[in-house]
Amino acid sequence: GDSVTQMEGPVTLSEEAFLTINCTYTATGYPSLFWYVQYPGEGLQLLLKATKADDKGSNKGFEATYRKETTSFHLEKGSVQVSDSAVYFCALSDRISGTYKYIFGTGTRLKVLA
Amino acid sequence: KAGVTQTPRYLIKTRGQQVTLSCSPISGHRSVSWYQQTPGQGLQFLFEYFSETQRNKGNFPGRFSGRQFSNSRSEMNVSTLELGDSALYLCASSLPGQGYDDEAFFGQGTRLTVV
Repeated sequence: GDSVTQMEGPVTLSEEAFLTINCTYTATGYPSLFWYVQYPGEGLQLLLKATKADDKGSNKGFEATYRKETTSFHLEKGSVQVSDSAVYFCALSDRISGTYKYIFGTGTRLKVLA
Repeated sequence: KAGVTQTPRYLIKTRGQQVTLSCSPISGHRSVSWYQQTPGQGLQFLFEYFSETQRNKGNFPGRFSGRQFSNSRSEMNVSTLELGDSALYLCASSLPGQGYDDEAFFGQGTRLTVV
């Protein structure tokens, strides 16, 4: 079945450091890919998305490119801030297999130190 | 516009009891999905409703059920609660039938504790 694998956390960085959170997926169809962020005590917020191969999603300085050849959707940010501390979830939504659900990775906790 | 509203925010129940959680989607959204979030299993899909019909169901026992009303509000019910049902239950809504890549808007969740 479809699945999402993302790097284990926690990830601890100093402010202004470069961030990469790896995400790879397995899907039988043509999935859309997403990054969601969860702040403490909150639900999930969409950070960015990409719906087809080679699409780049971007928002708030975060970027991720849909790489079909490597089945990856790695999240990057050039300079993290303390306010970026949260849990980040990679997810897919498979449109061909007829499902109407997201499949999430296990989440990566990011802690940014001042 | 108002976001996804889940009530209650917190619940404490005793093993063997049943519980009903409520979700009001964003106005105009007809698809509502439910997820269970636990530290051990992460986010797991429970079910999805569209226009009062369950379109998909995750791999959960029959004790977990749901429904959707004509105004798109949704409820999920868990009967005969077990300690392992303690979790954050998240509801998400999305635009009507536009496709699988619709953004899902999540509520803040209901934190259920079973004692």
